[in-house]
Amino acid sequence: KAGVTQTPRYLIKTRGQQVTLSCSPISGHRSVSWYQQTPGQGLQFLFEYFSETQRNKGNFPGRFSGRQFSNSRSEMNVSTLELGDSALYLCASSLSVPVEGYTFGSGTRLTVV
Amino acid sequence: GQQVMQIPQYQHVQEGEDFTTYCNSSTTLSNIQWYKQRPGGHPVFLIQLVKSGEVKKQKRLTFQFGEAKKNSSLHITATQTTDVGTYFCAIGNEKLTFGTGTRLTIIP
Repeated sequence: KAGVTQTPRYLIKTRGQQVTLSCSPISGHRSVSWYQQTPGQGLQFLFEYFSETQRNKGNFPGRFSGRQFSNSRSEMNVSTLELGDSALYLCASSLSVPVEGYTFGSGTRLTVV
Repeated sequence: GQQVMQIPQYQHVQEGEDFTTYCNSSTTLSNIQWYKQRPGGHPVFLIQLVKSGEVKKQKRLTFQFGEAKKNSSLHITATQTTDVGTYFCAIGNEKLTFGTGTRLTIIP
């Protein structure tokens, strides 16, 4: 089966700009989560969506937002980019109860200059 | 929220030696998951442990969940170069909290 697809793979943005990242989960997976990975802070949870509803949210400022569509595809948006937003953004999908764990996409590497 | 401490941060071993990483929580966990991330890659799910004292094996990998469900370990026997990467434990269900990871490097 196809894996989790994230686009784009790489992105370079300027401070103050905004960015939208996309994630297509594994077919049949209705839960989609987003994580930020940096060398300093490790893997940090951003938010989780299930059936178009945000079920959980991490401790990130309101500049970070997301949404999920009826086909389970998800997008996350970061507005007013800061240098510290440079990171690998990972999307993960799972069944509603993740007994088989989460399947991660390859990520979007965002660089803010 | 719940937190999990993972040690060691780095481990360098000769090929063929064993490797162990540990995760500890101050609170009782409902479950714990383990992931592996190769250099330049993304986390890949290895296993989930749910039961007190549970031990699961995957070839050379042995996963344990403590009796009190507050700690877990991953042990690799006779490491190979393909084992290189960072191993993470993670707790939670809909919202995963990851440990800091143990980066394993192998000296051929």
